[in-house]
Amino acid sequence: KAGVTQTPRYLIKTRGQQVTLSCSPISGHRSVSWYQQTPGQGLQFLFEYFSETQRNKGNFPGRFSGRQFSNSRSEMNVSTLELGDSALYLCASSLRGVITDTQYFGPGTRLTVL
Amino acid sequence: QQQVKQSPQSLIVQKGGISIINCAYENTAFDYFPWYQQFPGKGPALLIAIRPDVSEKKEGRFTISFNKSAKQFSLHIMDSQPGDSATYFCAARKLGFNTDKLIFGTGTRLQVFP
Repeated sequence: KAGVTQTPRYLIKTRGQQVTLSCSPISGHRSVSWYQQTPGQGLQFLFEYFSETQRNKGNFPGRFSGRQFSNSRSEMNVSTLELGDSALYLCASSLRGVITDTQYFGPGTRLTVL
Repeated sequence: QQQVKQSPQSLIVQKGGISIINCAYENTAFDYFPWYQQFPGKGPALLIAIRPDVSEKKEGRFTISFNKSAKQFSLHIMDSQPGDSATYFCAARKLGFNTDKLIFGTGTRLQVFP
């Protein structure tokens, strides 16, 4: 069974631009979560989706948004990029989004903002 | 506000030695405590997890010890191997909440030398 895939793997943008990152969960998984990983802040929760509905959101500005499609694939969007948005963005999926389900992480998208 | 504190930040161990990583949490609503292992260029992968109704869980060379009264838990890696060299994250999750959200510690970079 294929794991969580994220595209693109690497991305370079300039300040003020916007970016869209994509995540394909493991087949059959309905819950998708997004995390931002930086050396200074570690792994920070962005948001999670279950059956196309945002179920929870972290403490990030409104420039960060996401959505989930009917096939469980998810996208996150960052508008008006800032230098501080440079990070590894990780997507994780789980089967039902309940506490006993294992979350599987993708390899991440490395975003560099110049 | 950091809700899960992890130490040490880095750890150097000789092959065959014991690696110990500690975490402490504040929120008593946390009821699921996983440990993740991350290699460079990869997303975190679940290593082992524990619920607070048990004080210890062992899987192969990896053991979680849990002290509910002290709100602390730790990962012990017995007979550490060079292949264990990675960054380890503890995490916590709330029971009874309809969410996949994980609160991560800041990570420990483990280096095992032959």
